[in-house]
Amino acid sequence: NAGVTQTPKFRVLKTGQSMTLLCAQDMNHEYMYWYRQDPGMGLRLIHYSVGEGTTAKGEVPDGYNVSRLKKQNFLLGLESAAPSQTSVYFCASTWGRNTEAFFGQGTRLTVV
Amino acid sequence: GIQVEQSPPDLILQEGANSTLRCNFSDSVNNLQWFHQNPWGQLINLFYIPSGTKQNGRLSATTVATERYSLLYISSSQTTDSGVYFCAVREGTYKYIFGTGTRLKVLA
Repeated sequence: NAGVTQTPKFRVLKTGQSMTLLCAQDMNHEYMYWYRQDPGMGLRLIHYSVGEGTTAKGEVPDGYNVSRLKKQNFLLGLESAAPSQTSVYFCASTWGRNTEAFFGQGTRLTVV
Repeated sequence: GIQVEQSPPDLILQEGANSTLRCNFSDSVNNLQWFHQNPWGQLINLFYIPSGTKQNGRLSATTVATERYSLLYISSSQTTDSGVYFCAVREGTYKYIFGTGTRLKVLA
């Protein structure tokens, strides 16, 4: 099993450009999450999904959109990238509400 | 919301030494995990331990939920143990709260 896979691993964007980060899990997990990691701030929840076709806002949702059209995929979109979105992005999934979380390997995004 | 504090923030060890990392949380939780973030940035699951004690090789963890803390023990540390160790607790139904981590450097 691959677990949780994120694509791409690295990306450099210019301010104003758009992009989509893909998270795929092969564990049949119901719940999926997007986090960002910034120095000194730990990981913060951007958006999450409790099942196919559902999405909800986390702590820091502004500037991001998400979609969960298929159970195994959770997409994070940046419509107009800003330097403040330079960060490392992690996707995670859990089988249930209160079960172990599994993380992807991260995507390092730089917005110049 | 729940506050998660980890100590110490930084730790330098000689190879072969033992260490204890602590995670305190401000409210009752029903879910706690320990992760190791290696120098390449990957988050590696160490333990899912809402309560009790678990061991995996040189690592073990104990969570005392009633007293709101968890401990991660690393014995006979190796240079590959270097990185940042995070504990994370679940707040409510969906949200994980991460501590700010303990940065460990093991010297050869």
